[in-house]
Amino acid sequence: EAGVAQSPRYKIIEKRQSVAFWCNPISGHATLYWYQQILGQGPKLLIQFQNNGVVDDSQLPKDRFSAERLKGVDSTLKIQPAKLEDSAVYLCASSLETTSTDTQYFGPGTRLTVL
Amino acid sequence: AQSVTQLGSHVSVSEGALVLLRCNYSSSVPPYLFWYVQYPNQGLQLLLKYTTGATLVKGINGFEAEFKKSETSFHLTKPSAHMSDAAEYFCAVSHYGNNRLAFGKGNQVVVIP
Repeated sequence: EAGVAQSPRYKIIEKRQSVAFWCNPISGHATLYWYQQILGQGPKLLIQFQNNGVVDDSQLPKDRFSAERLKGVDSTLKIQPAKLEDSAVYLCASSLETTSTDTQYFGPGTRLTVL
Repeated sequence: AQSVTQLGSHVSVSEGALVLLRCNYSSSVPPYLFWYVQYPNQGLQLLLKYTTGATLVKGINGFEAEFKKSETSFHLTKPSAHMSDAAEYFCAVSHYGNNRLAFGKGNQVVVIP
């Protein structure tokens, strides 16, 4: 079974530029998550999708971050414009459903550096 | 709100010695508890989880954890460390009706030959 795929793996941009990350979840997984992991901290949930609908985006900085999951499969996370404090690893995860005990499977992440 | 505390960002253990990583949680409702491991340049992988039932949970790679409600703890142990256990370990909590995971800051485990 293929795991969660993410691209690119690394990205370096200047502040105020835009950037987009892509995620392909495990086939058949209805729920998709985007996490932000700042160096030295645990992952923090940014947004959660159930199929193509948003379940929780309470911690997403909506003035600069946006995400979509068209057709309920792949997802894109965008930052526009980027700030220095956005430097982090962005992790995508998926789970079969949204029940609290479901295992979340994580991709390898995209490491973003904002200069 | 729920939260997780993991003390000691870096933990050194000798090969063959006991691995003990401490996790304390704060939750106003019965928690679901998870331990994840992250190897360099890889995503997080589930080691084990507690939802209901038996409080001693066995996971992959010889790890186990015990849920102690009275101590609000879910410490992770492995009797004998192996070089391949060098990684970062995260404790996380969620609860019924909300599968948002709240993670601790993690423990970077170094295994000394």
